[in-house]
Amino acid sequence: TQLLEQSPQFLSIQEGENLTVYCNSSSVFSSLQWYRQEPGEGPVLLVTVVTGGEVKKLKRLTFQFGDARKDSSLHITAAQPGDTGLYLCAGGSTNAGKSTFGDGTTLTVKP
Amino acid sequence: DSGVTQTPKHLITATGQRVTLRCSPRSGDLSVYWYQQSLDQGLQFLIQYYNGEERAKGNILERFSAQQFPDLHSELNLSSLELGDSALYFCARRLAGVRQPQHFGDGTRLSIL
Repeated sequence: TQLLEQSPQFLSIQEGENLTVYCNSSSVFSSLQWYRQEPGEGPVLLVTVVTGGEVKKLKRLTFQFGDARKDSSLHITAAQPGDTGLYLCAGGSTNAGKSTFGDGTTLTVKP
Repeated sequence: DSGVTQTPKHLITATGQRVTLRCSPRSGDLSVYWYQQSLDQGLQFLIQYYNGEERAKGNILERFSAQQFPDLHSELNLSSLELGDSALYFCARRLAGVRQPQHFGDGTRLSIL
């Protein structure tokens, strides 16, 4: 069974601070996605990474896929209250159509 | 726009009842996935259908069942409802290709009284 562990589970910071959240596994994934979910809404895809060592930037968000494709990180620079939400990582496997989701990191950015 | 439409948005019912949740992916999407998300918890995979056939099964209770119809819309049936079934239920679609991500609908919030 493939598992994804996300840390920290909860994170509360002030506006303007930087932060990093992690997604770790002992399994290798063919791809990894990061989603952001706001209360009462569905997860919204932020990025997909597929190559070991890959780094993708989305404005103030930087995503990195580990060299061995077992882990990933999301770094947010100068966090804003609009970044508040649940951040989920999901790993895709070539052997199955479904993805494995982590339990998420709940981020609160205070003005 | 995720391309996934879920109805109804909210559903309130009582224990012991049966409900049907509906998911309509974008035209041509062969895969549909169902997830359950309880309060303050992550997404729990329930079941996947591909072109009308069950493809993968997760932690889906025997009281729950799903199907995908020829027009590719899907329904999730929940019966003998219990208080613990109160949750958000999400449907997701995925384009062909093993590295394609899933795109989620806005979910159905089910409340059992």
